[in-house]
Amino acid sequence: EVQLLESGGGLVQPGGSLRLSCAASGFTFSSYAMSWVRQAPGKGLEWVSAISGSGGSTYYADSVRGRFTISRDNSKSTLYLQMNSLRAEDTAVYYCAKFTYYYDSSGRKHDAFDIWGQGTMVTVSS
Amino acid sequence: SSELTQDPAVSVALGQTVTITCQGDSLRSYYAGWYQQKPGQAPVLVIYGKNNRPSGIADRFSGSSSGNTASLSITGAQAEDEADYYCNSRDSSNNHWVFGGGTKLTVL
Repeated sequence: EVQLLESGGGLVQPGGSLRLSCAASGFTFSSYAMSWVRQAPGKGLEWVSAISGSGGSTYYADSVRGRFTISRDNSKSTLYLQMNSLRAEDTAVYYCAKFTYYYDSSGRKHDAFDIWGQGTMVTVSS
Repeated sequence: SSELTQDPAVSVALGQTVTITCQGDSLRSYYAGWYQQKPGQAPVLVIYGKNNRPSGIADRFSGSSSGNTASLSITGAQAEDEADYYCNSRDSSNNHWVFGGGTKLTVL
């Protein structure tokens, strides 16, 4: 069974740090780009960061660039999100998600997130 | 960066057909993914690409696209389809991904 399991969430003070992990199973982890998506309480989904299958390319939303770092250990089938300088507005459920792809007739790649973890709650508060 | 716009709420009578739309410049270049999210649960992908359903998704869900608008249709809506629905796509201007604000679907 394809599965993603996040861990590492919790309560942290403003300015603090936290490291999230996402353990993958049931698929060839290194073959797929991965992403983090968050959802503030009562709000919609917000894309946070993504990383290529090899880990050589990383991408960040403007709201977290310079504070968050995405990484992966393909030998452990695990995705990470190091979060520094946390702010109250970073309070959210953080989901890890696996990319899937669709190629159109011209060869352009279209992607979506086909597998999601159950999420881990991060609360930034004093 | 691009934005995706969805109607905040839509309702449908049990057994009828409903269409949820998503508008944005990125949809001129990329197909949308559509996600269903029920309270307290993680999102579930229901449509991706031109009109692809992941394994296990009911065939009453379908997708289409025209210009800057993507649409998710549910033909013969069921009570269990009541949920929040989100669209997303790659941002056409950079290596970012964007989500719509979500549509709350009520089945009457």
